[in-house]
Amino acid sequence: GESVGLHLPTLSVQEGDNSIINCAYSNSASDYFIWYKQESGKGPQFIIDIRSNMDKRQGQRVTVLLNKTVKHLSLQIAATQPGDSAVYFCAERGPVGQNFVFGPGTRLSVLP
Amino acid sequence: NAGVTQTPKFQVLKTGQSMTLQCAQDMNHEYMSWYRQDPGMGLRLIHYSVGAGITDQGEVPNGYNVSRSTTEDFPLRLLSAAPSQTSVYFCASSSTLSGGLGNEQFFGPGTRLTVL
Repeated sequence: GESVGLHLPTLSVQEGDNSIINCAYSNSASDYFIWYKQESGKGPQFIIDIRSNMDKRQGQRVTVLLNKTVKHLSLQIAATQPGDSAVYFCAERGPVGQNFVFGPGTRLSVLP
Repeated sequence: NAGVTQTPKFQVLKTGQSMTLQCAQDMNHEYMSWYRQDPGMGLRLIHYSVGAGITDQGEVPNGYNVSRSTTEDFPLRLLSAAPSQTSVYFCASSSTLSGGLGNEQFFGPGTRLTVL
């Protein structure tokens, strides 16, 4: 993931709109990716995952897209709600047996 | 199930003091790990364990020790605290190291440590 220093990038969206959060990963050999949501004062919470042999996976109101050509991962949240306000970050895992590398995250702010 | 639990929630130490951060899980997970989270940075792996009696170093192991005497518990020890160890510490567990679709890591609520 990219380094953004002390300040996280912030995405502000209106309630009800769709949100797209992006992540650039670093290892072209990474075979598994996860998106996490972290609310203030809490631990990260699993949202959705995807393997490198897939380019799209859908969950409830969330979709993850994987573009291996440019090493890019995105999380789409449909009909964003106030409860979606949090920091979202991606994690990539190298070939089997390796641990995860986490991106710094993006703060999603949902406006009423 | 309580999931992953961590104690304490908050801790203030003076430079040079030692302490142990506790982590326990009740899901019979083999894999457990410790991360630190610093402002503007991603989670960084300190130590991990693939089962009782087996531990290994992560990305930033210096200044920390771990042990895994049981499947349930994975304590993290700070030997001689330094201001650079001021951070939020998260413990996580999963059923396997390799992971896969639906094989997620579960995180604890975190311990906020300040070293003066």
